[in-house]
Amino acid sequence: GESVGLHLPTLSVQEGDNSIINCAYSNSASDYFIWYKQESGKGPQFIIDIRSNMDKRQGQRVTVLLNKTVKHLSLQIAATQPGDSAVYFCAENMEGNMLTFGGGTRLMVKP
Amino acid sequence: DGGITQSPKYLFRKEGQNVTLSCEQNLNHDAMYWYRQDPGQGLRLIYYSQIVNDFQKGDIAEGYSVSREKKESFPLTVTSAQKNPTAFYLCASSRHVIYGYTFGSGTRLTVV
Repeated sequence: GESVGLHLPTLSVQEGDNSIINCAYSNSASDYFIWYKQESGKGPQFIIDIRSNMDKRQGQRVTVLLNKTVKHLSLQIAATQPGDSAVYFCAENMEGNMLTFGGGTRLMVKP
Repeated sequence: DGGITQSPKYLFRKEGQNVTLSCEQNLNHDAMYWYRQDPGQGLRLIYYSQIVNDFQKGDIAEGYSVSREKKESFPLTVTSAQKNPTAFYLCASSRHVIYGYTFGSGTRLTVV
């Protein structure tokens, strides 16, 4: 049978709008965070990262915000396009040479 | 171009069979990882290896086995002991966690 678990939360946005995807991380000692994008049937791809000594980092059309006080990470996508439709995962480096992944959020872009 | 290659892309297994999923990287990465992904869910760690000839169990290792005889290769065997093997399997590699992971394109395993 299928695995029992939570299905992915979904964010639906209009093309051209800004998207904000949120992630609550678990370990206050985590010092490195990454956002990955996974398109259907493919492996996750690196989008942007941020270290714990930073609050904000910008890339091309994407911004990651880190709030260490409440252990919250967000990914902002400006002018969302149909090609942005995917599942987005946050990951944190809790200990050693390992990443721990969040459950993911599905982004759907409406034309 | 350097990268990480998983094969096959699709794999069908009969009940009671063992099957092996291939993962090869030419990135000169020391660490390699196997994840399982079920529909609509996140990534669950099966096994990982930080160095050749050494590997560790992840969160859901039961019914799986791995080997790491070469730096470039980290094959995953799904044994008959894995009762619910139908899933999407992802392999990843890393030089160091501060550089993130590079993922392969995945193998979709289906039990028939």
